[in-house]
Amino acid sequence: AQSVTQLGSHVSVSEGALVLLRCNYSSSVPPYLFWYVQYPNQGLQLLLKYTTGATLVKGINGFEAEFKKSETSFHLTKPSAHMSDAAEYFCAVRPPEGMNNDMRFGAGTRLTVKP
Amino acid sequence: NAGVTQTPKFRVLKTGQSMTLLCAQDMNHEYMYWYRQDPGMGLRLIHYSVGEGTTAKGEVPDGYNVSRLKKQNFLLGLESAAPSQTSVYFCASSWTSGGDIQYFGAGTRLSVL
Repeated sequence: AQSVTQLGSHVSVSEGALVLLRCNYSSSVPPYLFWYVQYPNQGLQLLLKYTTGATLVKGINGFEAEFKKSETSFHLTKPSAHMSDAAEYFCAVRPPEGMNNDMRFGAGTRLTVKP
Repeated sequence: NAGVTQTPKFRVLKTGQSMTLLCAQDMNHEYMYWYRQDPGMGLRLIHYSVGEGTTAKGEVPDGYNVSRLKKQNFLLGLESAAPSQTSVYFCASSWTSGGDIQYFGAGTRLSVL
């Protein structure tokens, strides 16, 4: 069964600093990988996803993530944090088509941005 | 374009009461999902549907039932609510499975006393 581990339930950075949110997965086959963001009292919105092809994926709001198969990782980064980036971030993994449809989410990382 | 709409937004139940949560999507998506979100546990899949008239169990289905009588609607029922079902419930929909994006509603906050 697949699973997702997000290292660090809380991350705090200063405005303008690098954002790095860590995600590791376990899966018997190369999965699809996602990062979602949740702002207070809202549903989840897709930031970016990896399906096939280029391992460096660019998403909305200046975020990007790199799929590293050898490390089973899909870490999310942003070069310069903005106050509006404060939110909870979820990494998720899903098996390829033909297998069960369960999307598995990590426990989430709450990002705080200090002025 | 409303996307995914959940009703109600908030609800308080007493132990043993029943209720139904409604999810409606206007994107003509085939797949629909119900998740629960609990602190420190991320989202966990309760049930999902791959098309009108079909449903399947997810990771945590016990205590819940679902129905998909119309393509645009996916109902989640609690027949006899328990305090352990206090949570935030999210509905989502997508065109297909695999790498397709799931679109989420704003959530329903349920408290069972």
